Amino acid sequence: DVKVTQSSRYLVKRTGEKVFLECVQDMDHENMFWYRQDPGLGLRLIYFSYDVKMKEKGDIPEGYSVSREKKERFSLILESASTNQTSMYLCASIVEGLNTEAFFGQGTRLTVV
Amino acid sequence: AQTVTQSQPEMSVQEAETVTLSCTYDTSESNYYLFWYKQPPSRQMILVIRQEAYKQQNATENRFSVNFQKAAKSFSLKISDSQLGDTAMYFCAFEWWETSGSRLTFGEGTQLTVNP
Repeated sequence: DVKVTQSSRYLVKRTGEKVFLECVQDMDHENMFWYRQDPGLGLRLIYFSYDVKMKEKGDIPEGYSVSREKKERFSLILESASTNQTSMYLCASIVEGLNTEAFFGQGTRLTVV
Repeated sequence: AQTVTQSQPEMSVQEAETVTLSCTYDTSESNYYLFWYKQPPSRQMILVIRQEAYKQQNATENRFSVNFQKAAKSFSLKISDSQLGDTAMYFCAFEWWETSGSRLTFGEGTQLTVNP
């Protein structure tokens, strides 16, 4: 089975802290994504990466950055956490082709106080 | 830009009955995939069903089937013989391709509750 693992299930951080959310996938997928999930807004794309060291902004990149030094690992960085970044964060990787499918981590519920 | 809209924030159904979740989308792409993903209380998102845009035949997976109306840009999910384990948030999603790879966008979600 494909596994996408996020480093934390719950996280509480203080305003102004630099926060790292880690995501690792074990199936050699090229495309990886970070989404933010909020009630009534669905999943909104923050950043995605289609190869090592390659990244593109999604729909809501402000206040975030990403790092992909190795193919299996895609990190989301909150440069200076703010309370409006309190949310659920989901990492996904996609296998392309006829049976294309996104595989998700279990989510990190981040609270910024 | 590709957009996906789910107009039903919440729905409920009695166990063993049938329910239909709605989804519309907007795109100028000719080749794409549509999906329904399920997120139960455990938060683990899993694929329910996939539909290729070039296929006219509606996809089915056991109790789950879709009504894909390409011209109307509509993609509804029908759940037959609803079970308590179907209680979850359901997301409609749209996948297309750019030069650099896949893109995936989601609707707002529909919270489905199956009542005993």
